Amino acid sequence: DAKTTQPTSMDCAEGRAANLPCNHSTISGNEYVYWYRQIHSQGPQYIIHGLKNNETNEMASLIITEDRKSSTLILPHATLRDTAVYYCIVRVQRGGGSQGNLIFGKGTKLSVKP
Amino acid sequence: DGGITQSPKYLFRKEGQNVTLSCEQNLNHDAMYWYRQDPGQGLRLIYYSQIVNDFQKGDIAEGYSVSREKKESFPLTVTSAQKNPTAFYLCASKSNYGYTFGSGTRLTVV
Repeated sequence: DAKTTQPTSMDCAEGRAANLPCNHSTISGNEYVYWYRQIHSQGPQYIIHGLKNNETNEMASLIITEDRKSSTLILPHATLRDTAVYYCIVRVQRGGGSQGNLIFGKGTKLSVKP
Repeated sequence: DGGITQSPKYLFRKEGQNVTLSCEQNLNHDAMYWYRQDPGQGLRLIYYSQIVNDFQKGDIAEGYSVSREKKESFPLTVTSAQKNPTAFYLCASKSNYGYTFGSGTRLTVV
């Protein structure tokens, strides 16, 4: 699976949009971009994933560049409860064995401030 | 509600003792995973199972053992051979759509 690079930490004001970048310059054509977040002392929570097109759901939007070498997760109106570590992961969507394993880096610690 | 249940949430163990962490899912997922997380670090894979009665070592399997006798259950045993077992342990299951994680077990060796 391709390696990702994320900033170690970011701050965001409550009510503003939080834009979390991720670089994945070695991504392969069949690899998806996944985002998870982990609130302190809890299990990671799925947020969104995409292949080429931009995606939006009730939690966030995912913007993938045309060359697919980077992406941005957007939380449109950040709240204090969005304070968490956000992980960007790229992997094939299907597949057994080691292809099925998510590789979590250290992620970005997002702090939403009042 | 469907999900993954890990128990207990907190666990204390004396040095030299084996301890088993429970993981149960009612999502009907075939694949299940155990991860370890240390403070300020990402998740590292211990063991995974693609199907009942089959499991494979992950990146840090030494000192751990698992079983997969039922689709719903994937218990992890931390043995006395694990030299640094104090950590946060996460269980997950996977569908083609994505992963679902449990709420974790925090193991402390005293």
